[in-house]
Amino acid sequence: AQSVTQLGSHVSVSEGALVLLRCNYSSSVPPYLFWYVQYPNQGLQLLLKYTSAATLVKGINGFEAEFKKSETSFHLTKPSAHMSDAAEYFCAVSDQGGGFKTIFGAGTRLFVKA
Amino acid sequence: NAGVTQTPKFRILKIGQSMTLQCAQDMNHNYMYWYRQDPGMGLKLIYYSVGAGITDKGEVPNGYNVSRSTTEDFPLRLELAAPSQTSVYFCASSYGTGDADTQYFGPGTRLTVL
Repeated sequence: AQSVTQLGSHVSVSEGALVLLRCNYSSSVPPYLFWYVQYPNQGLQLLLKYTSAATLVKGINGFEAEFKKSETSFHLTKPSAHMSDAAEYFCAVSDQGGGFKTIFGAGTRLFVKA
Repeated sequence: NAGVTQTPKFRILKIGQSMTLQCAQDMNHNYMYWYRQDPGMGLKLIYYSVGAGITDKGEVPNGYNVSRSTTEDFPLRLELAAPSQTSVYFCASSYGTGDADTQYFGPGTRLTVL
């Protein structure tokens, strides 16, 4: 069965600092992996996704994530945090060839301090 | 395009009342989904549909019903509301190319059952 674990329900960084949001997955078959962002009082929107092409995936707003099969990880990074990055971030997984149901992690809320 | 729209934005129900959450998309997507989001729990799939006339249960379907008579609309029905159904409900849609589909989310309906 698929599962997603996001380490840390809350992460706080200073403006200009590195953002690192951690995600580990479990899947019995090669996965598709996603990061979604949710701004206050809005629905989720896609930041980036891994679909078995390049292991380093670049997304919108300067975010990127690296798929590491040996570590079963898909951590999200951004070199320099901006105040507008404050939001909740969800990692998600779906199985390649196993249907389209997507499993979401519990979310990590990112706070950015001035 | 309006994308995915949901009504109402907020609703308070008394225990035992019924209501329908409306969802519509104008992207001609085949797949539509209903999720509930509870604090610290991520998103849980309630029901999904792969096309007009075809629906199936997700992870947490009890207490809910859906129908899909058109490609555009996917209403969620709550019968006999219970406090455990207090949550934020998100509708989403995707084109339906497979497991790497990007899901597009509506802004959500915040439901409180008292």
